[in-house]
Amino acid sequence: GAVVSQHPSRVICKSGTSVKIECRSLDFQATTMFWYRQFPKQSLMLMATSNEGSKATYEQGVEKDKFLINHASLTLSTLTVTSAHPEDSSFYICSASTTAGNIQETQYFGPGTRLLVL
Amino acid sequence: AQSVSQHNHHVILSEAASLELGCNYSYGGTVNLFWYVQYPGQHLQLLLKYFSGDPLVKGIKGFEAEFIKSKFSFNLRKPSVQWSDTAEYFCAVNEDRGSTLGRLYFGRGTQLTVWP
Repeated sequence: GAVVSQHPSRVICKSGTSVKIECRSLDFQATTMFWYRQFPKQSLMLMATSNEGSKATYEQGVEKDKFLINHASLTLSTLTVTSAHPEDSSFYICSASTTAGNIQETQYFGPGTRLLVL
Repeated sequence: AQSVSQHNHHVILSEAASLELGCNYSYGGTVNLFWYVQYPGQHLQLLLKYFSGDPLVKGIKGFEAEFIKSKFSFNLRKPSVQWSDTAEYFCAVNEDRGSTLGRLYFGRGTQLTVWP
């Protein structure tokens, strides 16, 4: 249980185009989804937190107009990188979690999406 | 904001050696603690977690971790490593807010290389 998928696993795009990455919780309803960025040999950097049906909360320094997050259902969140530039090339990872009553649950991570902007 | 420190960036061991990876955090309140592992080319997987109760937590694949509140530490241990344990290990912490899931703060990771 607690499987999270991401699509696509890797994408190459031209500078100036937009790219959408999907994150799905396959066997549970995710009340909260998180989007991270991971640079080579570094830890995960939280970009934003999204709760189903409400606007995402972005971390300081993350441009919300550039990284559009939609969490329209309890099993799907999307991250759209708008007008992508080479510096946006990175590994994007989502995680999903659910709350059961008053018990905090764990974040389960997707396999990540490798974005390369040419 | 919390911070999480992993002291060892790269650990190299021979098979059957014992492992201990350090993790310290800075937060005075109640926390939940996690260790995640990332095998080469794979996604992050949960090794073990501590929310409350027995501070010695056992996880998958023979790993365990001990929460020492007075030292703000949550070190990961395994008595005898295998070549297949070669991976990146991340310690993570979040605030215990009851029903609300707080954000995770990650350490920068420790690369473990096990030689056969």
